[in-house]
Amino acid sequence: NAGVTQTPKFQVLKTGQSMTLQCAQDMNHNSMYWYRQDPGMGLRLIYYSASEGTTDKGEVPNGYNVSRLNKREFSLRLESAAPSQTSVYFCASSLTGAQPQHFGDGTRLSIL
Amino acid sequence: GQSLEQPSEVTAVEGAIVQINCTYQTSGFYGLSWYQQHDGGAPTFLSYNALDGLEETGRFSSFLSRSDSYGYLLLQELQMKDSASYFCAPQGGDKLIFGTGTRLQVFP
Repeated sequence: NAGVTQTPKFQVLKTGQSMTLQCAQDMNHNSMYWYRQDPGMGLRLIYYSASEGTTDKGEVPNGYNVSRLNKREFSLRLESAAPSQTSVYFCASSLTGAQPQHFGDGTRLSIL
Repeated sequence: GQSLEQPSEVTAVEGAIVQINCTYQTSGFYGLSWYQQHDGGAPTFLSYNALDGLEETGRFSSFLSRSDSYGYLLLQELQMKDSASYFCAPQGGDKLIFGTGTRLQVFP
């Protein structure tokens, strides 16, 4: 019962480096999401994919790109990392946009 | 526009009952979800209300009034393990809107 798997779990980058966060779900869900969570804050939606082949911007998309590689996988890319992108990143999936979201364990990303 | 309000912190003792209120404003509202997040953990789904009224799941109940744009999460027979952050998340279209959450601290 893997659910939503995120890799890596931890990462430290230098300013200007690029990185791709991976997310895969094995629940045959149609919708997938990327959030960031800063200390003491709620979850802010970066990008989401309502179905395979579609992606849409969320609340804080600047500095990020996404790829819905197939139904299972949804990756998040930082092209040129900045210290302001230091955060915990959560991937989530749901059967449809109206169904409960299942979250991965998160990726803790620090940018120096 | 979109807005979401819930208390930042609530404290209670073991065995007590606590209610966490949530008022929201969002376009294309479908329903209200509640999520729990322990420190260092991932959010986990607790409940969802699409219609007005009370939904009960064990010690937890959730209420929705669509006309008042208001909901609450009721936690009964509090246990130490209930210490966590609780997020109400109204659904607007394909997306959930998460606020900053309510941190619940349960004391012995």
